[in-house]
Amino acid sequence: GDKVKQSPSALSLQEGTNSALRCNFSIAATTVQWFLQNPRGSLMNLFYLVPGTKENGRLKSAFDSKESYSTLHIRDAQLEDSGTYFCAASSSGSWQLIFGSGTQLTVMP
Amino acid sequence: NAGVIQTPRHKVTGKGQEATLWCEPISGHSAVFWYRQTIVQGLEFLTYFRNQAPIDDSGMPKERFSAQMPNQSHSTLKIQSTQPQDSAVYLCASSSVSNERLFFGHGTKLSVL
Repeated sequence: GDKVKQSPSALSLQEGTNSALRCNFSIAATTVQWFLQNPRGSLMNLFYLVPGTKENGRLKSAFDSKESYSTLHIRDAQLEDSGTYFCAASSSGSWQLIFGSGTQLTVMP
Repeated sequence: NAGVIQTPRHKVTGKGQEATLWCEPISGHSAVFWYRQTIVQGLEFLTYFRNQAPIDDSGMPKERFSAQMPNQSHSTLKIQSTQPQDSAVYLCASSSVSNERLFFGHGTKLSVL
């Protein structure tokens, strides 16, 4: 089965609303990274997390290693937030980042 | 800081031809990764270098694919006798050490006709 499972697979939001994306892990994840892939294909690193939370502007992410999940919260969604969000996890002693299948987010005016 | 630079951005090859993809990691980054992205398989790990040494190539197809890192400023991914199923976006990424924050290049879109 999927080692990194993302939900939902697709999401549409009205501009100005809030939402949360989630990743569940079936591996013993020790670090998590969140990326945004824009429509041109560029992957931008949003967060690098050890267990805990981080916030950057309208984005906030949390990683709970004991419960094996991570979340990405988007506040006051803007049109430029549209794209595909990927989470990726690594486990202790491994250099491989295992990616989820992504959440395709569309922000509508 | 120009970020991770990949060239070319697009490459079209005929079936059976060779394709070489180039990556320049962020200066000072000691870990370099290659990933492949397709609609069906998503993002797949191919290979990993640390301080120019090959550490893990477990994701590389055993035939036709090879990767090298001859110096700290560039890595190459070579695909011999390309096949249509090799068509994908090939992404290079670097980080300061393994398991640290990963930065991706824009990718090379390979189309094998």
